[in-house]
Amino acid sequence: QLVLTQSPSASASLGASVKLTCTLSSGHSSYAIAWHQQQPEKGPRYLMKLNSDGSHSKGDGIPDRFSGSSSGTERYLTISSLRSEDEADYYCQTWGTGIQVFGGGTKLTVL
Amino acid sequence: EVQLLDSGGGLVQPGGSLRLSCAASQFTFSSYAMSWVRQAPGKGLEWVSSISGTSGSTYYADSVKGRFTISRDNSKNTLYLQMDSLRAEDTAAYYCAKGQSGTYVLYSFDYWGQGTLVTVSS
Repeated sequence: QLVLTQSPSASASLGASVKLTCTLSSGHSSYAIAWHQQQPEKGPRYLMKLNSDGSHSKGDGIPDRFSGSSSGTERYLTISSLRSEDEADYYCQTWGTGIQVFGGGTKLTVL
Repeated sequence: EVQLLDSGGGLVQPGGSLRLSCAASQFTFSSYAMSWVRQAPGKGLEWVSSISGTSGSTYYADSVKGRFTISRDNSKNTLYLQMDSLRAEDTAAYYCAKGQSGTYVLYSFDYWGQGTLVTVSS
């Protein structure tokens, strides 16, 4: 079964870096994912598509502070030089035969 | 800039029906799969349904299969979601989303609508 697992919360200080993790279920290490950001009271926004080899393609206007990497079944989103506007929910998404799947989301707090 | 404008949400009684629309612009609508994703109050994102560019393929989450119907009118650049037999648990903000691939129906989303709120309550 295709499942994405995310930690419910994370926090980091203004100006620091944070690495969020999305874990694919066992047997799905070749799957690509996408990362999406949802700021409070707003709709989601596409950040990037992240492949199993760590290559990624970002959405329009997404700053260089956002980057992705992969290791096995783990997919990472790293945000550097944190700003207050980075405080948001972050969701990973993947797709399989006949389905789309979202992780439960990680709420990022910028201290 | 790609634009997706969701509309059609509102208050409906349990067992009732509602049709959502998503007006698309600034891209070749017929070339891309489109999807609906919902978010219950205070909860995460849940995929609802996807449709290919030609309407030849459709997919549904088990939670809505048999009750919801996705469709599109490429001449009007508009995506639809017909929701029947609505339940309280269908209460959510509904977002349309554009597929990133011109080839695959099930793929990453690269643009989202602003959402339309559906409330199912008596």
